[in-house]
Amino acid sequence: DGGITQSPKYLFRKEGQNVTLSCEQNLNHDAMYWYRQDPGQGLRLIYYSQIVNDFQKGDIAEGYSVSREKKESFPLTVTSAQKNPTAFYLCASKDRGTQETQYFGPGTRLLVL
Amino acid sequence: AQSVAQPEDQVNVAEGNPLTVKCTYSVSGNPYLFWYVQYPNRGLQFLLKYITGDNLVKGSYGFEAEFNKSQTSFHLKKPSALVSDSALYFCAVRDSFYNAGNMLTFGGGTRLMVKP
Repeated sequence: DGGITQSPKYLFRKEGQNVTLSCEQNLNHDAMYWYRQDPGQGLRLIYYSQIVNDFQKGDIAEGYSVSREKKESFPLTVTSAQKNPTAFYLCASKDRGTQETQYFGPGTRLLVL
Repeated sequence: AQSVAQPEDQVNVAEGNPLTVKCTYSVSGNPYLFWYVQYPNRGLQFLLKYITGDNLVKGSYGFEAEFNKSQTSFHLKKPSALVSDSALYFCAVRDSFYNAGNMLTFGGGTRLMVKP
């Protein structure tokens, strides 16, 4: 988990509320990724960013938004449009190039009240 | 297109015995293959990867994996399992042909249970 931090560890969302998950990395990596993990399932890509001020939708972007204003930060907002937000959210980063490994943060568990 | 399959939801092994966690893949070009491990309520930890070269790749914590191109497999192995190896294991693949964002595709995960 070293070098990538996610906060908070647990987050509770009320009906109709937008919440923001933080992801920060000090690895000087160019690319950053957000994944969603549901119980008993693999990881699904929500959004990714290869460079500052640019980001692209992944496989399940609906109901989520992101920004990439700084190289080290890639926050994810879970909007009220996401009807089933309860999941474990993982942030990852990767250096420029084709072979480098994605490194993951410790995750944030989002629960709905 | 790229895809990866982990055919076993769970693998049970006795401590001290060898373990194998299976992974098969499908890509258009050459595969870049990765194994990660996840402990409860934690992020994924990188174990090892195959990019090119020797088909037997050695990684962290005594794990290794063998790339088999003809069988399109990349099975994770360890000669002697420890109880502390019990965790969720993910295989991931990326096609060497360009894909936007260098995205990985993950398998559904295999839960490894090592019993004393």
